[in-house]
Amino acid sequence: GAGVSQTPSNKVTEKGKYVELRCDPISGHTALYWYRQSLGQGPEFLIYFQGTGAADDSGLPNDRFFAVRPEGSVSTLKIQRTERGDSAVYLCASSLTLQREGEQFFGPGTRLTVL
Amino acid sequence: GENVEQHPSTLSVQEGDSAVIKCTYSDSASNYFPWYKQELGKGPQLIIDIRSNVGEKKDQRIAVTLNKTAKHFSLHITETQPEDSAVYFCAATATDSWGKLQFGAGTQVVVTP
Repeated sequence: GAGVSQTPSNKVTEKGKYVELRCDPISGHTALYWYRQSLGQGPEFLIYFQGTGAADDSGLPNDRFFAVRPEGSVSTLKIQRTERGDSAVYLCASSLTLQREGEQFFGPGTRLTVL
Repeated sequence: GENVEQHPSTLSVQEGDSAVIKCTYSDSASNYFPWYKQELGKGPQLIIDIRSNVGEKKDQRIAVTLNKTAKHFSLHITETQPEDSAVYFCAATATDSWGKLQFGAGTQVVVTP
């Protein structure tokens, strides 16, 4: 079956521009997570959703970052006024529920490069 | 918040030998400890996990041990094969922040034939 998909796979942008990264979770998964992975590091939590609402957005680094999940399925991570330090791989994951048994399945990520 | 430390950062083993990766965590409330394997260009994939009410769990060539008192847990891979070469991450989370996995920095495992 289809796993978590993310588009685009690569995004190159210039400093100051706005970008949107999309995540399509596994069908039927109610929980969705965004992580950021810098080179040589483990994934760093950004935000997670249960259904349409953000259950915890404490990992978003500042107010330039925002994520939505309007219909409880596809999610978009939005970054305004990008900075070179935003360059990283942005990973999305989903799980059946936000409960003890909710294994997180990861997508392949979007590599963002800010020039 | 939770802080997870992982070592070694790189591990080279001969095919057929065992590999051990160790992690420590800081938050005594953490009670779920998954291990992920990440191959180049792919997202992390869960390989095994353990909960705080269990001291050890095994799945074929992979095992994980947990010492709650010392706040450390380890991944053991026996009879390593070239396809075990990848980056491995440990993670931890607590029930009250269930979706918020805190990852270690990763271990690059290289299995040489």
